[in-house]
This record gives sequence, structure tokens and C-alpha cells, in this order.
Amino acid sequence: GQNIDQPTEMTATEGAIVQINCTYQTSGFNGLFWYQQHAGEAPTFLSYNVLDGLEEKGRFSSFLSRSKGYSYLLLKELQMKDSASYLCAAVDSNYQLIWGAGTKLIIKP
Amino acid sequence: GAVVSQHPSRVICKSGTSVKIECRSLDFQATTMFWYRQFPKKSLMLMATSNEGSKATYEQGVEKDKFLINHASLTLSTLTVTSAHPEDSSFYICSARAEGGGDTGELFFGEGSRLTVL
Repeated sequence: GQNIDQPTEMTATEGAIVQINCTYQTSGFNGLFWYQQHAGEAPTFLSYNVLDGLEEKGRFSSFLSRSKGYSYLLLKELQMKDSASYLCAAVDSNYQLIWGAGTKLIIKP
Repeated sequence: GAVVSQHPSRVICKSGTSVKIECRSLDFQATTMFWYRQFPKKSLMLMATSNEGSKATYEQGVEKDKFLINHASLTLSTLTVTSAHPEDSSFYICSARAEGGGDTGELFFGEGSRLTVL
């Protein structure tokens, strides 16, 4: 079956770096999305990777390894506003999104 | 960037009534829109794929007659929860794929609609 795994919750300190991992098993693969979702709000787009490697966008970077079925989201210089859930979603061969349950990131001062 | 507007953001209704939620793409045309349902502390559950000018494609286990989806134009899709019951209370979110990016074009989400059925 198709499956996305990511940690349920992580805690980090303001100003530090945190890496949120995501492993996926899908029938076919057409890329992977990362979304940020604050409580009570809709998700907002962070990144999309379809090729292996690291893509950097300011404080956020996303990495993909297709051979390992693995991705991570790296957040640097953490700010309190980064406290949110981070959703990983893989695109399968039918171009459907398979969503992970999300990782709740708690930032402490 | 592209914006998807969803309305209403919050709605409270009595059991047995119907509620309509609108999803509009404000600055782009979306031939395909998606409707999700999200429970607390859980991931998004895709309910259906809304295709402009044709019938929606529902995911397994989603009642077509209960969750009516209409995609009347390239910028508007509606979800109607018919004869709502308390178990239908949830956060409903729509998204639209910006065309021009192929089948993996970026998804833009509406703000979500929180439905509470009393």
C-alpha cells in the first residue's frame, strides 16, 4: 500500500536548526511537497522536490532522495512563528497526493 | 501569488439542514479543484476531485449524495453538505492546482471552512 511516515511531534529551541524527516512508499512517484499549517488554518506551500538533492529557500530547505524514498525539511534560525504542523505529501503515479499525518513542531524560547 | 478564496470560514447549522461552501480561484483558472476534510490532529483526507464541466470524482467511502460537488466554472467549485449531522462537523479545505505546471503544478489552498453541526 501507499504510506507516508513522519514524526508526530518535535520540539526545538528558538534560533536553532531542526530537521523534519519524511519517508514515503507510493506506487510511482512524481514529486514531494512540504506544507506548513498553523492551527485552525489551511496549509501553505513551502516546497516541491522532484529531483534528488537539496533546494534552499531562505531559512527553509528541502531534500529528496528518490532511491531511499526519503525527504527532509530543514528549518534554520527558528522563530516562534515557525511553531506549526508540517505536512509531507508525495505525488503518486496517478498524480494523487498521499499525505502524511503531519509533524507538530513546538518552538521554545 | 495565486490565491484561493473559500467561504464561509465558519458556519454553524442545525442538524438536518444543508450547507454550501464555495471555493474560488481569484487570479487563475483551475480546471481541477480538490476538496479535503481534516479532523483534529489528523492529516488531510481527500474527499473528491472537482473537474470543471464534469462530475466530481469521489474517493472511496465518501458519500456522493451527501457531499455534492459542483464545478460550474473555471474559477468556482462548491461543496454542499446535505442533511448535515453532528458527525459532519469538521474543517473542510479546498485547493486548486495552478495550471501551466503540468500535473504537478503547485497546489494552492483556500482558508478552510469550519463546519459545526448542532
